[in-house]
Amino acid sequence: DSGVTQTPKHLITATGQRVTLRCSPRSGDLSVYWYQQSLDQGLQFLIQYYNGEERAKGNILERFSAQQFPDLHSELNLSSLELGDSALYFCASSVSSGSINEQYFGPGTRLTVT
Amino acid sequence: AQKITQTQPGMFVQEKEAVTLDCTYDTSDQSYGLFWYKQPSSGEMIFLIYQGSYDEQNATEGRYSLNFQKARKSANLVISASQLGDSAMYFCAMREGPGSARQLTFGSGTQLTVLP
Repeated sequence: DSGVTQTPKHLITATGQRVTLRCSPRSGDLSVYWYQQSLDQGLQFLIQYYNGEERAKGNILERFSAQQFPDLHSELNLSSLELGDSALYFCASSVSSGSINEQYFGPGTRLTVT
Repeated sequence: AQKITQTQPGMFVQEKEAVTLDCTYDTSDQSYGLFWYKQPSSGEMIFLIYQGSYDEQNATEGRYSLNFQKARKSANLVISASQLGDSAMYFCAMREGPGSARQLTFGSGTQLTVLP
């Protein structure tokens, strides 16, 4: 158990809908990262937050947004869902933004868009 | 250009044998970190081992060791005494940097199958 929690574990929804994925980092970790794992794109970095502020953006679509709350949990919002958004979405956390040390991953949320 | 290259889509190894999973990387940064993660069929990403670019010794964690050859920009994972439970997808990843953003860049992965 990495200490990072993600809910829900599975999500099935229809095209055009909006969903919210939730992540709680490990105790003491200030930095949260979101990654998407799909069959065609592999594992891709989406966005990073550090202590409530956005720090970096990767290949995140405009239909997607995220935030990190004062209690450090984070939410990834996916809207106007398309079939191609079906993927495994991971949240990871690390102690600091500048640390070069390991990121611990949550168990992931498997999103299926039908 | 690919920042992380894993050239072995699939590998087979006999139980109790050692296996090496290849990883080469591309960066112009002096400070960076290299990571290996394991992803079993259940889907979770499990951190295995880390090597910093300034570390002079190769990293080891139990049966895992990282063969770090800086000049060749390679960071191969060696698993000794393979077990059936080692069957999984293995990802090499890199974190570049001195900047404040430290996201991981992943390779395409190697599917390891341990044969009884």
